[in-house]
Amino acid sequence: EAGVTQFPSHSVIEKGQTVTLRCDPISGHDNLYWYRRVMGKEIKFLLHFVKESKQDESGMPNNRFLAERTGGTYSTLKVQPAELEDSGVYFCASSQVGQGNSEQFFGPGTRLTVL
Amino acid sequence: QKEVEQNSGPLSVPEGAIASLNCTYSDRVSQSFFWYRQYSGKSPELIMSIYSNGDKEDGRFTAQLNKASQYVSLLIRDSQPSDSATYLCAVNIHSNQAGTALIFGKGTTLSVSS
Repeated sequence: EAGVTQFPSHSVIEKGQTVTLRCDPISGHDNLYWYRRVMGKEIKFLLHFVKESKQDESGMPNNRFLAERTGGTYSTLKVQPAELEDSGVYFCASSQVGQGNSEQFFGPGTRLTVL
Repeated sequence: QKEVEQNSGPLSVPEGAIASLNCTYSDRVSQSFFWYRQYSGKSPELIMSIYSNGDKEDGRFTAQLNKASQYVSLLIRDSQPSDSATYLCAVNIHSNQAGTALIFGKGTTLSVSS
């Protein structure tokens, strides 16, 4: 069974540009999460999809971040326009729906560098 | 502000010893607790989950949970150099809901010397 995949693995952009990150969850996992780790800090939650619906977006830092999950399969996270403080590693995770204690499996992450 | 606290380390143990990693959390209603292992430059890998007070063993790993003290720990027996990594403690934000976000600690770096 394939794990969570993310694309690209690395992205280097200039301040003010736009970047779109993609996540493909484990097949059959309706829960999809985005997290971010800024250097020196802990991994922090950004938002949570159940299928195509946003269940919780309380962790999104501001309106420069837009997440979508059309069709309830893969998800994209767009940053527009990017700022220096957006640099970090963006992780995607997925889990099954049905249990209150569902284990989350992480993708390899996208390392974003904003210059 | 809900928090998960871990000693950043590094925790250094000789090969074959027991490594003990500790974590405290602030949200008393948390119900699910996870330990992830992260090698440098890699993604977090789930190694243990625990939901009830007491011990849970899986191979060389034992997770311990004490909800009254808001404390969760991970013991690694017969530590191997390949166990050298950062260990992340994670706690769910909401209880009794299917699919909930996690709060992570900053992680404890473990170094096992041969």
